[in-house]
Amino acid sequence: ETGVTQTPRHLVMGMTNKKSLKCEQHLGHNAMYWYKQSAKKPLELMFVYSLEERVENNSVPSRFSPECPNSSHLFLHLHTLQPEDSALYLCASSPQGGRYGYTFGSGTRLTVV
Amino acid sequence: GESVGLHLPTLSVQEGDNSIINCAYSNSASDYFIWYKQESGKGPQFIIDIRSNMDKRQGQRVTVLLNKTVKHLSLQIAATQPGDSAVYFCAENIAGNQFYFGTGTSLTVIP
Repeated sequence: ETGVTQTPRHLVMGMTNKKSLKCEQHLGHNAMYWYKQSAKKPLELMFVYSLEERVENNSVPSRFSPECPNSSHLFLHLHTLQPEDSALYLCASSPQGGRYGYTFGSGTRLTVV
Repeated sequence: GESVGLHLPTLSVQEGDNSIINCAYSNSASDYFIWYKQESGKGPQFIIDIRSNMDKRQGQRVTVLLNKTVKHLSLQIAATQPGDSAVYFCAENIAGNQFYFGTGTSLTVIP
C-alpha cells in the first residue's frame, strides 16, 4: 500500500450506466490528481485539485466529473461513457505544488461495454 | 505540449545482468526528473530522481544519468532481479509545473 487507496480495483460498465471511482489518501497531502493510462500512451492528466479547489481540467469530456469533498478524498463520476474510455484510471496525491513527484494509487481498471 | 519518449518499448535481460533504460526529453528547460516503476496491477512508484544541476545520482542498485546536452536520461539497474520486471517511466518537470510522463519501457527479467 502506498497510502493512496483506490476503489473499485476493477469496473465493468455499460455505456448508459453511472458509476463513481473513489480515491482516498492518508498521507496528509493537499493536492490530488486523476490520470488516465491507456496502452502505449503516456499518462494523461485529467484533473488536479489543490486545497480542494480544481486547478486543472485538461479538456476532459463532460462525461467525466470530478469531486473533491476534502483533501483526503477524490471522486471521479462517470456517465454515458464510450468504449474508448476503457483504461486504467490512476489517482495520485502530493504535497501542495507536487514539485517532487506524486504518490499513486493502484488504479481502477475500467472497461466500458 | 511536452514530449517525453523512450527509445525502446521493451527490454529483456538475463537475471544478474545490468539493465539500461533510456528516455529522451524535448524541453531543455526541464529541471527535475523522476523515474517510476510500475508493476503489473499497481500504480507507478517512485524509484529515483535527479535535478538538472546533477549528471548522475545513485540509489540502491539503481543509477540515473542525465545528459542535458542531448536531452537524454537513463536508468541503470545493477544485477537485475526477477522483481525488477515492470514498466519503467521517466517524468520531467519544469519549475514546479505538472509532470510529463513517457510511454514506458517494459522490462522483462529472464531467470
